[in-house]
Amino acid sequence: GQNIDQPTEMTATEGAIVQINCTYQTSGFNGLFWYQQHAGEAPTFLSYNVLDGLEEKGRFSSFLSRSKGYSYLLLKELQMKDSASYLCAVRDQGGYSTLTFGKGTMLLVSP
Amino acid sequence: NAGVTQTPKFRVLKTGQSMTLLCAQDMNHEYMYWYRQDPGMGLRLIHYSVGEGTTAKGEVPDGYNVSRLKKQNFLLGLESAAPSQTSVYFCASSYLVGGAGNEQFFGPGTRLTVL
Repeated sequence: GQNIDQPTEMTATEGAIVQINCTYQTSGFNGLFWYQQHAGEAPTFLSYNVLDGLEEKGRFSSFLSRSKGYSYLLLKELQMKDSASYLCAVRDQGGYSTLTFGKGTMLLVSP
Repeated sequence: NAGVTQTPKFRVLKTGQSMTLLCAQDMNHEYMYWYRQDPGMGLRLIHYSVGEGTTAKGEVPDGYNVSRLKKQNFLLGLESAAPSQTSVYFCASSYLVGGAGNEQFFGPGTRLTVL
C-alpha cells in the first residue's frame, strides 16, 4: 500500500516562491506525479519524477529523493492563477500503473 | 480531439435508484480509470481497466460496477445508489506503462448527489 502526506493548505504572495512538500511510504515505487486542480475542474498534469533530482518546467520544478521518500513542487514568480489544489501521486511498482493520490495541498495566492 | 469526456455533468438521484456514468476518450489509450473525489479525502480509485474487456478493482470498489466493452469507453454503474456515494466522479485514461511518465488525462467530472 501507499501512504502519502502533504500539507492541507498554504498561502503565499503574488511574485513569491512557494515549496509544496510531499512524503510517501510505499511498498513499491515507480514514479511520482504532480497535478494541479483548480476549483470545480479536472486535475491536469504538471510534472513527473522517477529518478532522484530536479525536473524543471518553466516556473514549476519538482524534486525527488527516493531514499527519503520525499518530493517537493516549487512554484516561482507566483501568479494569482496559481491558486489551486496541488496533488501528489505515487505510481506503484506493480504490473499495472495505478496511482495513489495524496489529499492535496490548497494554495492560496494573495495580491 | 476532445480528450476525455464524461456524461452527465450533473445528476441528482434518490436512494436506491440506479444510473450509469459514461466516459469516452479519443486518444487510443489502453488504460482507463474511475475515481471519486470527496472533501478531505483526495482522489480515490474505484475501478480501472487495462484494456478492452478487462476490469479490476481499485481502493473503493464496493457499490460500483464497471464495463469496458469498447476500448474508447469505460462505464461506471451504481446499481442502488446510497447517500455515501454523493461525490464528484472523475474518469481518466493513459497509455500503457513503459517509456516516460504516462500521465493520466482526466475528464471534467460528474457531480452526483444522492438524496
